[in-house]
Amino acid sequence: QSALTQPASVSGSPGQSITISCTGTSSDVGGYNYVSWYQQHSDKAPKLMIYDVSNRPSGVSIRFSGSKSGNTASLTISGLQAEDEADYYCSSYTSSSTLGVFGTGTKVTVL
Amino acid sequence: EVQLLESGGGLVQPGGSLRLSCATSGFTFSGYGMRWVRQAPGKGLEWVSAITGGGENTYYADSVKGRFTISRDNSKNTLYLQMNSLRAEDTAIYYCAKRTSRTGTTVDYWGQGTLVTVSS
Repeated sequence: QSALTQPASVSGSPGQSITISCTGTSSDVGGYNYVSWYQQHSDKAPKLMIYDVSNRPSGVSIRFSGSKSGNTASLTISGLQAEDEADYYCSSYTSSSTLGVFGTGTKVTVL
Repeated sequence: EVQLLESGGGLVQPGGSLRLSCATSGFTFSGYGMRWVRQAPGKGLEWVSAITGGGENTYYADSVKGRFTISRDNSKNTLYLQMNSLRAEDTAIYYCAKRTSRTGTTVDYWGQGTLVTVSS
């Protein structure tokens, strides 16, 4: 099972909106509404930000939103803040592995 | 408050063994599937293994199948990962994570991780 494809890096200025893409296939992202997004600050454990494509867990800022079109899922961060600087990983259910598959990861830089 | 605390990491020689533990609290442990996830230095996340709430079913990544064994003791609220025949490429931070009750593969809580270094 190959990793889902994410851009290596995305950057934006404070207050701007950015979008991170996560591209898979019809066997994973495109075939199921089971995409999650995790935020990982440097040397910290990951944190769940979005589940089931577009749902936010309790306590996650409304500035984070998720969507999906075809085989590509997206995470949008609006009103970018310095604290959003971190690595972001998508993950999806896949028909080829019970464990699922992670994306390659995207480093978000706040300019 | 949900808490997950890994232990058991360290330095081991290639071919050696190590047993990781993940002590949990703050939720009904037996009611949830659990997972191990690893992250090699400077690399991305990788699902390693999963186990259902009662321990009946276990799953492994191809990279560890036949070498790692996941298990749990619901009386002690603890998850384990027995790692045998360790290789240099197993060097990573190992996180335990709690599954949600929803369908899919989402985990909603993570431990702080324990570092495993395989080197001579």
